[in-house]
Amino acid sequence: GQNIDQPTEMTATEGAIVQINCTYQTSGFNGLFWYQQHAGEAPTFLSYNVLDGLEEKGRFSSFLSRSKGYSYLLLKELQMKDSASYLCAAVDSNYQLIWGAGTKLIIKP
Amino acid sequence: IAGITQAPTSQILAAGRRMTLRCTQDMRHNAMYWYRQDLGLGLRLIHYSNTAGTTGKGEVPDGYSVSRANTDDFPLTLASAVPSQTSVYFCASSRTGAVDTEAFFGQGTRLTVV
Repeated sequence: GQNIDQPTEMTATEGAIVQINCTYQTSGFNGLFWYQQHAGEAPTFLSYNVLDGLEEKGRFSSFLSRSKGYSYLLLKELQMKDSASYLCAAVDSNYQLIWGAGTKLIIKP
Repeated sequence: IAGITQAPTSQILAAGRRMTLRCTQDMRHNAMYWYRQDLGLGLRLIHYSNTAGTTGKGEVPDGYSVSRANTDDFPLTLASAVPSQTSVYFCASSRTGAVDTEAFFGQGTRLTVV
């Protein structure tokens, strides 16, 4: 079966760095998305990776290793507003998105 | 700037009743989607439409139907609601149905079937 694994919850301190991991097992692979979802709100797009390596976008970076079926989202200089759930989604061979349950990130002062 | 709008925001519905969740986008996006989000589970695709006039089934289509008469609107209908359809429903759109295209989500409809 197809599966996305990411930690249920993480806690980090304001100003610090946090890495949210995502492993995927899909029938084929056509890229991986990260979305941010604040409580009670809609998911919003953060990144899309299809090639191996790190892509940086301001305080957020996303990494992909296709051979390991692994991705991570790196958040630097954490701010209280970064408290949210982070959703990982892989695109399978049928071009369907397989979503993880999300990682709830709690930022403490 | 509206983007993508869902209605209602929340609803309590008696089991067996028919209900239509509305979704409208003003971005002229070709592709639209309906997802449900349940605690502890990832988003699950119910139905999708890659362009006006066409629809397709997602991962969990049973008990739901959709139509796409024009580019802007993509209503989701529950023909006879059951308690297992209690969920938060998100409508989304993307410029195309291509795999690498960013999706824009509506604010969600929280549906409780009792």
